[in-house]
Amino acid sequence: EIVMTQSPVTLSVSPGERATLSCRASQSVGNNLAWYQQKPGQAPRLLIYGASIRATDIPARFSGSGSGTEFTLTISSLQSEDFAVYYCQQYNKWPPLTFGGGTKVEIK
Amino acid sequence: QVQLVESGGGVVQPERSLRLSCAASGFTFSRYAMHWVRQAPGKGLDWVALITYDGGVTSYADSVRGRFTISRDNSKNTLYLQMNSLRPEDTAVYYCARELTDTLTRFDYWGQGALVTVSS
Repeated sequence: EIVMTQSPVTLSVSPGERATLSCRASQSVGNNLAWYQQKPGQAPRLLIYGASIRATDIPARFSGSGSGTEFTLTISSLQSEDFAVYYCQQYNKWPPLTFGGGTKVEIK
Repeated sequence: QVQLVESGGGVVQPERSLRLSCAASGFTFSRYAMHWVRQAPGKGLDWVALITYDGGVTSYADSVRGRFTISRDNSKNTLYLQMNSLRPEDTAVYYCARELTDTLTRFDYWGQGALVTVSS
């Protein structure tokens, strides 16, 4: 099983600032990585797939990078609607398909 | 527009059974693999099971294998999760999700979730 580890667990950021979230895989997943955003009481929403491809209707302030075992999600200028929990997911080797534990982006 | 609507959640005693449904609309259901993903209260996302577009292949997380069964009825555009021998640790919101695969795979649409509570 590929273990996905996200850091930090909580990230405190002021609106308008940049946020950088990390995701590490226990073995290489190539570029087979996705990022999801989840707000309280809502289902996850796809943000990024293929490590760096923005999903439909996702604003350009969201960007993904990395390959192999190290990945980054960057939100260039945080808007109020971006405060949420973010999950990475690998789909290189499954089952099981695995998610990271999440990073909560909160208002500083 | 694509919609996935789960139903069938509720409170159930340990060792009892429950069946979840996920009604799909707005796309050709029979062309897509589907998954169940769960989320325990206050916890992260946990993949449960998948079924290929035609139901020919299924796969399960170790934690549910032998107790849960994923199935689909393409004539009814509906995905199912039969959950037997439920345990308190199965308590979670269960989401169905559509898998989109071209050269890359992702879950592009999710339902709103169905809460399953296993408690005596």
